[in-house]
Amino acid sequence: NAGVTQTPKFRILKIGQSMTLQCTQDMNHNYMYWYRQDPGMGLKLIYYSVGAGITDKGEVPNGYNVSRSTTEDFPLRLELAAPSQTSVYFCASSYPVGANYGYTFGSGTRLTVV
Amino acid sequence: GDSVTQMEGPVTLSEEAFLTINCTYTATGYPSLFWYVQYPGEGLQLLLKATKADDKGSNKGFEATYRKETTSFHLEKGSVQVSDSAVYFCALFSGGYNKLIFGAGTRLAVHP
Repeated sequence: NAGVTQTPKFRILKIGQSMTLQCTQDMNHNYMYWYRQDPGMGLKLIYYSVGAGITDKGEVPNGYNVSRSTTEDFPLRLELAAPSQTSVYFCASSYPVGANYGYTFGSGTRLTVV
Repeated sequence: GDSVTQMEGPVTLSEEAFLTINCTYTATGYPSLFWYVQYPGEGLQLLLKATKADDKGSNKGFEATYRKETTSFHLEKGSVQVSDSAVYFCALFSGGYNKLIFGAGTRLAVHP
């Protein structure tokens, strides 16, 4: 059981480039989330999804886009990379009802924009 | 809005010392509360949880009690080990779309 898988683990982008961070889960979770973690800081929610075809903005959505065409996949797209997007990105998933199960996190993608 | 406040780190302890990491929250109603741990280079892992007042969550020697009267969920461990060195996040479940709200995290460093 792989849980939540994120790729790539590391990436360096130049300013203005674009990329997609991949996230896949095999637990049949309806809810999926993208967070960013800046050095020494907590997690900030970028986007989340409550099921295939449904996405919504979190606290810091500017500069990002998401899609959810399947239950398993929730890619995060950066269209015009900026130095302020240098961060560690975490994808997470959870069961659809109640909070008792908590979230399952991926191992993260460390992105540097230069 | 709902929020979580954790004590600032880093917390530096010697092996076998007693650990307390403070966490207080602001929320409407009675949210579920969580502690997550992040080991170096890894994602967050659920450490323990409590879903109602006076519940005690426990795992791997760590404990936290849901205190409604003080809106707190402090993390404790009687005897820390070097392997406990990590960042610890307190979080609450904010209703609606099953969203967790995280504190800023507290870094713990345990020395032999």
